[in-house]
Amino acid sequence: DTAVSQTPKYLVTQMGNDKSIKCEQNLGHDTMYWYKQDSKKFLKIMFSYNNKELIINETVPNRFSPKSPDKAHLNLHINSLELGDSAVYFCASSQAGLAGNTQYFGPGTRLTVL
Amino acid sequence: GENVEQHPSTLSVQEGDSAVIKCTYSDSASNYFPWYKQELGKRPQLIIDIRSNVGEKKDQRIAVTLNKTAKHFSLHITETQPEDSAVYFCAAITSGGSYIPTFGRGTSLIVHP
Repeated sequence: DTAVSQTPKYLVTQMGNDKSIKCEQNLGHDTMYWYKQDSKKFLKIMFSYNNKELIINETVPNRFSPKSPDKAHLNLHINSLELGDSAVYFCASSQAGLAGNTQYFGPGTRLTVL
Repeated sequence: GENVEQHPSTLSVQEGDSAVIKCTYSDSASNYFPWYKQELGKRPQLIIDIRSNVGEKKDQRIAVTLNKTAKHFSLHITETQPEDSAVYFCAAITSGGSYIPTFGRGTSLIVHP
């Protein structure tokens, strides 16, 4: 059973396009996240979504928007893609308070913007 | 907000040697410190964690130590093997606060056979 899954695994697109990445977790966790990992491997948190409360990293451009239809899903929509958006995007989930909030990561989506 | 510094950024060792990765944090309210291992092309996965009421925790060849006074914690890997080669991330979390982890910038560990 896959705990946290993401689709697609690879995404290659042109500058200016709009794209979405989907994430689903079957762990029953209350909190989900999106991270961006650049070529230097730094894990940068973009969003945290807990019980309909969205916490945004203020450095994230507003071209990025998370959408959560229910607590098991957190999708990431990106408008007007730019070259600098190329990275690996990881979804994660956790249960705050349980085991100190261990992050369970999805397999990642490698986004390449041409 | 919390700030986590991680050193070194790259660590190269011979198989069988020990490896130590160090992290410091700034927020004295942080009370949970996990370590994640990310193999090439894979997702980060938790390998060990420590809470602020414990000074040391061990799991086979890996151990983590925490010094609350100095606000630093370290990952120790003994008898390194080539399969230990990966990027390791430390993190600090305030349980009871926002629960959002602050990650270090990662250490690329290379174990030469």
